[in-house]
Amino acid sequence: ETGVTQSPTHLIKTRGQQVTLRCSSQSGHNTVSWYQQALGQGPQFIFQYYREEENGRGNFPPRFSGLQFPNYSSELNVNALELDDSALYLCASSPPDGINYGYTFGSGTRLTVV
Amino acid sequence: AQSVTQLGSHVSVSEGALVLLRCNYSSSVPPYLFWYVQYPNQGLQLLLKYTSAATLVKGINGFEAEFKKSETSFHLTKPSAHMSDAAEYFCAVSEGRQGGKLIFGQGTELSVKP
Repeated sequence: ETGVTQSPTHLIKTRGQQVTLRCSSQSGHNTVSWYQQALGQGPQFIFQYYREEENGRGNFPPRFSGLQFPNYSSELNVNALELDDSALYLCASSPPDGINYGYTFGSGTRLTVV
Repeated sequence: AQSVTQLGSHVSVSEGALVLLRCNYSSSVPPYLFWYVQYPNQGLQLLLKYTSAATLVKGINGFEAEFKKSETSFHLTKPSAHMSDAAEYFCAVSEGRQGGKLIFGQGTELSVKP
């Protein structure tokens, strides 16, 4: 079975620009979560999608938004980029009973805002 | 609110020595607890999880952790360190039974000396 894949692996954006990050969940997983990991920190929860609807959100401003598609893949969109948005963005997928299964993480997208 | 504290941002052991990485949690409900490992420039890999079954949990690569409710701890151990164990380790607690967000600690970097 394929795992969680994220694209792109790296990208550089200018402050004020918009960015879209993509995630393909593991086969059979219908829940996708996004995390932001700043350098030297633990990941922080951004939001989760279940059956194409947002199902929980962390302490992130509205310029962080997302989508989940019928095939359970997902996008993270960030508008009006700020320097502090520079981080590793991780996507995690899980089956409906995610808590007993655990969560499968992708390798992440390294975003640098200059 | 749930939280996780990892004691020691950096732990150094000799190859063959015992590995002990400490994690304490705070939760008002029965917790679900996880340990993840992150190698440089990679995503998170699940080592093991506690989901209210056996209090001693065995994971991959020879790691295990014991859930101690009275001490609100979930420390990670390995009897004999290997050079390949050098990585960042994260303890996490889940906020809810039906998936939900993971709350991560700040991480502990494990170094293994030859």
